[in-house]
Amino acid sequence: NAGVTQTPKFQVLKTGQSMTLQCAQDMNHEYMSWYRQDPGMGLRLIHYSVGAGITDQGEVPNGYNVSRSTTEDFPLRLLSAAPSQTSVYFCASSLTGPANNEQFFGPGTRLTVL
Amino acid sequence: AQSVAQPEDQVNVAEGNPLTVKCTYSVSGNPYLFWYVQYPNRGLQFLLKYITGDNLVKGSYGFEAEFNKSQTSFHLKKPSALVSDSALYFCAVRDIRDSWGKLQFGAGTQVVVTP
Repeated sequence: NAGVTQTPKFQVLKTGQSMTLQCAQDMNHEYMSWYRQDPGMGLRLIHYSVGAGITDQGEVPNGYNVSRSTTEDFPLRLLSAAPSQTSVYFCASSLTGPANNEQFFGPGTRLTVL
Repeated sequence: AQSVAQPEDQVNVAEGNPLTVKCTYSVSGNPYLFWYVQYPNRGLQFLLKYITGDNLVKGSYGFEAEFNKSQTSFHLKKPSALVSDSALYFCAVRDIRDSWGKLQFGAGTQVVVTP
């Protein structure tokens, strides 16, 4: 049982490039989400999904797209990277919503946009 | 709108002394409250939660937290800190009326436990 996995661990992009951050979980969790972590700001929700085929926006969705074609995978796409997207990105999952269930977090992806 | 405040950027404590990490919250309805811990270069790990019932909640690694509705606080405590407790701690809140439970995280408090 690998839990929540994220790839890559580190990434450097140039402004305007696109990329996809991968997230997978093997716990059959319905709920998955993406957060970004910036110093002094805690974690901010980017997008979340309550099941395959269902996604919604979080607090800071601009510049990011998601899809959920399977229960296991929840990739995050940056269409045109900007320096403001330099951050550490965490994927998380839980059995149902995070309201009364603990979320399991992946190890994170550290992204730098030059 | 919901919000969380962690008033201390850093808490310093000597090993063996009591540890307290403060958290206050604001929600329109009743809250669900959580504490998570982050060790260096790792993702967040769940410590404990308050949903309903007893105001004193016990969690992992000897931590506990007390829900105080009148003061809208949910402070994290440990009677005797260990050097291994040095980490970044996050408080999070959710309004129970939000059906899919988007959590609002605080900015985090760095705990430094010295030998």
